[in-house]
Amino acid sequence: SQELEQSPQSLIVQEGKNLTINCTSSKTLYGLYWYKQKYGEGLIFLMMLQKGGEEKSHEKITAKLDEKKQQSSLHITASQPSHAGIYLCGADGGSRLTFGEGTQLTVNP
Amino acid sequence: KAGVTQTPRYLIKTRGQQVTLSCSPISGHRSVSWYQQTPGQGLQFLFEYFSETQRNKGNFPGRFSGRQFSNSRSEMNVSTLELGDSALYLCASSWRGELNEQFFGPGTRLTVL
Repeated sequence: SQELEQSPQSLIVQEGKNLTINCTSSKTLYGLYWYKQKYGEGLIFLMMLQKGGEEKSHEKITAKLDEKKQQSSLHITASQPSHAGIYLCGADGGSRLTFGEGTQLTVNP
Repeated sequence: KAGVTQTPRYLIKTRGQQVTLSCSPISGHRSVSWYQQTPGQGLQFLFEYFSETQRNKGNFPGRFSGRQFSNSRSEMNVSTLELGDSALYLCASSWRGELNEQFFGPGTRLTVL
């Protein structure tokens, strides 16, 4: 079965700093999803990547899928307190998602 | 358009009891998936229902079951509750099961004492 490993597990940054979260898969990724979750709440879809080398951006968040399609990164530029939460990567397992453990992001004002 | 709703939002049960959680999908969506989220295991897929039929199932014991009604609302049942069943249960809906068009509900927080 496919496993996703996220790093780091937690991250504390000062407002305005840039940061990167990584997601590494044990198998080739055919669809990689990034979600954000506020503690104890549902998941908010951020973006989906399918093609090797693909890069997508939304506001200050950029996600990339590497050429070999086994790793993805999520980069936040000029972080804000509103970016705080848990970031989860999920792999397309054919009608189901397999998730990484999540990265807890804290942004200090 | 109303989002995915889950009821109740919080629930406290004791070991050995059973529990039923409800999920109302976005209007028009026919696929409902359920996930369990715990600190130790993370987010894990339970099952997916489409047009009242279970189409996919994760690796959970038979104590976990579900069903879907003709209006696409879904219920999840856990019998003989164990302490380890304490978790946030999330449901997600989509029109036909497309992962990139899947919307998650706020979840039901189940605590088993």
